[in-house]
Amino acid sequence: KNEVEQSPQNLTAQEGEFITINCSYSVGISALHWLQQHPGGGIVSLFMLSSGKKKHGRLIATINIQEKHSSLHITASHPRDSAVYICAAPYSGGGADGLTFGKGTHLIIQP
Amino acid sequence: DTGVSQNPRHKITKRGQNVTFRCDPISEHNRLYWYRQTLGQGPEFLTYFQNEAQLEKSRLLSDRFSAERPKGSFSTLEIQRTEQGDSAMYLCASSLLTGETQYFGPGTRLLVL
Repeated sequence: KNEVEQSPQNLTAQEGEFITINCSYSVGISALHWLQQHPGGGIVSLFMLSSGKKKHGRLIATINIQEKHSSLHITASHPRDSAVYICAAPYSGGGADGLTFGKGTHLIIQP
Repeated sequence: DTGVSQNPRHKITKRGQNVTFRCDPISEHNRLYWYRQTLGQGPEFLTYFQNEAQLEKSRLLSDRFSAERPKGSFSTLEIQRTEQGDSAMYLCASSLLTGETQYFGPGTRLLVL
């Protein structure tokens, strides 16, 4: 079973700051997922990436397959970015199965 | 709204009772996944289907849990003889193909008294 570790668990920052959330996993994979969960809300997929970097608006995700490490960055953070950010990797490695999740990073952006 | 629906959204039951949850995935999605999330934790994988075939089950899926996807469309998750430790959010997700983005439903929150 893949083990996924995230850091930090909690992060409070001021509006406008550059945010970085880190994720590492134990078993080689074909793709890693970043997801967002608002309090009391559902889970939304942000990125699925297998190499390099992806960007969507102010969100950037990078992955280093050799290092088994990924980062999620938020530029010009805003209070509406406050949420739990979760990384997830295939449960048994590869890509053909369910996901195993990190415990999430609880992000609070203060105005 | 991701297009994945789950019913009921909330369920309160007494210990020892059986409960059944339903998930309706996005219609053309072949893959359907069940996860469980307890308070303050990330979701945990339970099982997944490729069409009607159940392809993998985690060790969290004890004998009291059973999942079906009889026609390759909607899926049900049944918990028999519920225990207080079963209290959690049960999440369903679907994807078009292997390794594709998973779309999550809103979840069914179960409370076992």
